[in-house]
Amino acid sequence: GAGVSQSPRYKVAKRGQDVALRCDPISGHVSLFWYQQALGQGPEFLTYFQNEAQLDKSGLPSDRFFAERPEGSVSTLKIQRTQQEDSAVYLCASSLARGGLQPQHFGDGTRLSIL
Amino acid sequence: DQQVKQNSPSLSVQEGRISILNCDYTNSMFDYFLWYKKYPAEGPTFLISISSIKDKNEDGRFTVFLNKSAKHLSLHIVPSQPGDSAVYFCAASALGDDKIIFGKGTRLHILP
Repeated sequence: GAGVSQSPRYKVAKRGQDVALRCDPISGHVSLFWYQQALGQGPEFLTYFQNEAQLDKSGLPSDRFFAERPEGSVSTLKIQRTQQEDSAVYLCASSLARGGLQPQHFGDGTRLSIL
Repeated sequence: DQQVKQNSPSLSVQEGRISILNCDYTNSMFDYFLWYKKYPAEGPTFLISISSIKDKNEDGRFTVFLNKSAKHLSLHIVPSQPGDSAVYFCAASALGDDKIIFGKGTRLHILP
């Protein structure tokens, strides 16, 4: 497909486990973003890549959250020692170029539930 | 402290009438504004955007109005159709900042 693809769609983990969420951006899109969406809220920014460089990680809530995009395409968001407050939908978005005046295109998200 | 505010959690509009969704922002550095539409279990879909150098942008049934002095924007949908029932997010970004700041969303119900 031509859109942003995220996997898995649903993930259930026990508190304390590590999880990894994958994002395949639209081919050719330079910029990649991760957002966290809690129930009843809008998406909140986590981190941003331009190609393989992580230019902004100011939204990552703790050092348990780690993201990478080693070859400038696929990205992985890893959460270590998960806690119940990590339960949310994690959205990935990509855009054609860096910043301003470029809409971001979102995947359908990964719904993470921590038991 | 919310920088993008959508004060109406929900809105119901008769099919065929105009839907008006409102959004306020506090950050005067925002220069690019977007509206996204979201269906359940799907990601947000880009709908329409406006740059701060404009006060209106139109795309088919969708028009976004920007009032910079009031730090207010609105999305007009006319005529409203059943498929427009969804959650609408207002979002903004600042010059030189690549991330988007979202509001909490407004759930629009189009009534038959």
